[in-house]
Amino acid sequence: DIQLTQSPSSVSASVGDRVTITCRASQGVRSWLAWYQQKPGKAPKLLIYGASSLQRGVPLRFSGSGSGTDFTLTISSVQPEDFATYYCQQANSFPRTFGQGTKVEIK
Amino acid sequence: EVQLVQSGGEVKKPGESLQISCKASGYSFTSYWIGWVRQMPGKGLEWMGIIYPGDSNTKYSPSFQGQVTLSADRSINTAYLQWSSLKASDTAMYYCARHVSDIYMGALVDWGQGTLVTVSS
Repeated sequence: DIQLTQSPSSVSASVGDRVTITCRASQGVRSWLAWYQQKPGKAPKLLIYGASSLQRGVPLRFSGSGSGTDFTLTISSVQPEDFATYYCQQANSFPRTFGQGTKVEIK
Repeated sequence: EVQLVQSGGEVKKPGESLQISCKASGYSFTSYWIGWVRQMPGKGLEWMGIIYPGDSNTKYSPSFQGQVTLSADRSINTAYLQWSSLKASDTAMYYCARHVSDIYMGALVDWGQGTLVTVSS
């Protein structure tokens, strides 16, 4: 199985801060990586697919980059509604796997 | 509009069987894989497996192979997740989600609202 390791596990940020989350794969996944946002009590929501493509309706302050084994999700200016947990997921091979999650908290 | 509507929460005893459902609408049910994701209380997301309703082809995570069964009924656009003998450790929220392989490169684009399964004696 491909292991995905996210860092940091949690981050405290103030509104307007730039936040960067990384996802490292134990083996290459090309660009077959997605990012999801999950708020408490809610289903996850797709933010980024294909490592860098923004899902329709997702604010432009979210961006993704990377390929192979190293990926990044960036929130350019964190807004109050962005405080949530973020997960990466690889779709290059079976079984699909998720990272352990990164919680973005209010400072 | 794509919708995945899951069945309601369940409270079961260890050893009991259970089937939860995910009813799809707004797209061609037989043309996209549907996956299941577990989230144990306070924990992260775990990919369980997927089924292609067009031919009922399934792929399971090794962690869940033999522990659950995925199925689909094309006539009513519904996917199922089934346990034959529940354990307390099956207590979790379970989500179904539509995989879109081509344009979305395998991402889980649409999600159900989740079904909470509680297993307790």
